[in-house]
Amino acid sequence: GQQLNQSPQSMFIQEGEDVSMNCTSSSIFNTWLWYKQDPGEGPVLLIALYKAGELTSNGRLTAQFGITRKDSFLNISASIPSDVGIYFCAGPAGGTSYGKLTFGQGTILTVHP
Amino acid sequence: DVKVTQSSRYLVKRTGEKVFLECVQDMDHENMFWYRQDPGLGLRLIYFSYDVKMKEKGDIPEGYSVSREKKERFSLILESASTNQTSMYLCASSSGGGRDTEQFFGPGTRLTVL
Repeated sequence: GQQLNQSPQSMFIQEGEDVSMNCTSSSIFNTWLWYKQDPGEGPVLLIALYKAGELTSNGRLTAQFGITRKDSFLNISASIPSDVGIYFCAGPAGGTSYGKLTFGQGTILTVHP
Repeated sequence: DVKVTQSSRYLVKRTGEKVFLECVQDMDHENMFWYRQDPGLGLRLIYFSYDVKMKEKGDIPEGYSVSREKKERFSLILESASTNQTSMYLCASSSGGGRDTEQFFGPGTRLTVL
């Protein structure tokens, strides 16, 4: 099946720093999604991207749909302690869709005050 | 806002018990999903449903079954719980049509099987 490679696996940063993470696929996607999971909670949808080259912001978060359609990037500016959590990328799974997703392994973000 | 609720946040069961995990969504979504999440393995799809009484296996269906008798409710059933089913279980839903990949998750049920 399709695989998403997400990097880095974990990040330890100081409050106020900017963060970048990315996701690559072995096949072309027509949709990219980014989720955040707080400790002990379910993932929450942050940003959805539907067009190659699209750049979309949600507050301090900015995500881009790569031109090759095989990658996506998420940036967080001026990190704060509540940014702590796991960030997942996701894209449509192959075969019959019905909204099925395939997920990256996640980037664990730790922010030191 | 979409709201997806799960019947329990924490559950402790014994090996061999039949376990029911319930999920309810309030946005009239066609699609519903059950995942399990384990450290280092990410989110893995167990089953999904695209309509009432319709279901399809995901990537790891063994040891699980599902039921969708009403559109808003999707149940995951562990027929005979085993210790290797100790995990975080997440339910999600999405609408049909062009935005069907925008899945909305519940808070999760952390199941421990002793």
